Amino acid sequence: QKEVEQDPGPLSVPEGAIVSLNCTYSNSAFQYFMWYRQYSRKGPELLMYTYSSGNKEDGRFTAQVDKSSKYISLFIRDSQPSDSATYLCAMRNTGFQKLVFGTGTRLLVSP
Amino acid sequence: EADIYQTPRYLVIGTGKKITLECSQTMGHDKMYWYQQDPGMELHLIHYSYGVNSTEKGDLSSESTVSRIRTEHFPLTLESARPSHTSQYLCASSDQGDSGNTIYFGEGSWLTVV
Repeated sequence: QKEVEQDPGPLSVPEGAIVSLNCTYSNSAFQYFMWYRQYSRKGPELLMYTYSSGNKEDGRFTAQVDKSSKYISLFIRDSQPSDSATYLCAMRNTGFQKLVFGTGTRLLVSP
Repeated sequence: EADIYQTPRYLVIGTGKKITLECSQTMGHDKMYWYQQDPGMELHLIHYSYGVNSTEKGDLSSESTVSRIRTEHFPLTLESARPSHTSQYLCASSDQGDSGNTIYFGEGSWLTVV
């Protein structure tokens, strides 16, 4: 069983929709949770990071962590065609810099 | 925008050739990493370094080797390339602070071994 599970998609939505992307994990020691966006043939770029449980909002993006369920989410409001990319979740435990990544969910936002 | 650079971006080489993928960062980060990513698959850490003269193998076994002689430079070498080495290789770096969550990635090197 993988430490981090993520539905690969693709997830297709119309422009303006609210998008929900999710990951589950098995290691209860994970404390730091991140979401990266990766465009085709590019390296991942960090979108959001959250420490422990709770919500964090940045513009159209909201990250949620539910440690009791070992479940994290990224919500994108008012999705745009430019949001079309692969979204990777990543996480690590404290004092340990190596990240464990999900496989990524491919998002397609159509005009 | 991250100041981390990888060359070459795309490379097609024959089996048995020696190759070096270059990675440089201008942010003064102590920590650097190499990840391997196949299409549609997760990133796997193959090497990391916590500073000059420090290198460690990652979670995924790799026949590649790395060196860290200068803070800003973290090249990856394959002594004898094989078709199984065909993949995307991503270099990354982070600082020592607790916000080492901010791992910056280069744009990747796409390697095809024929």
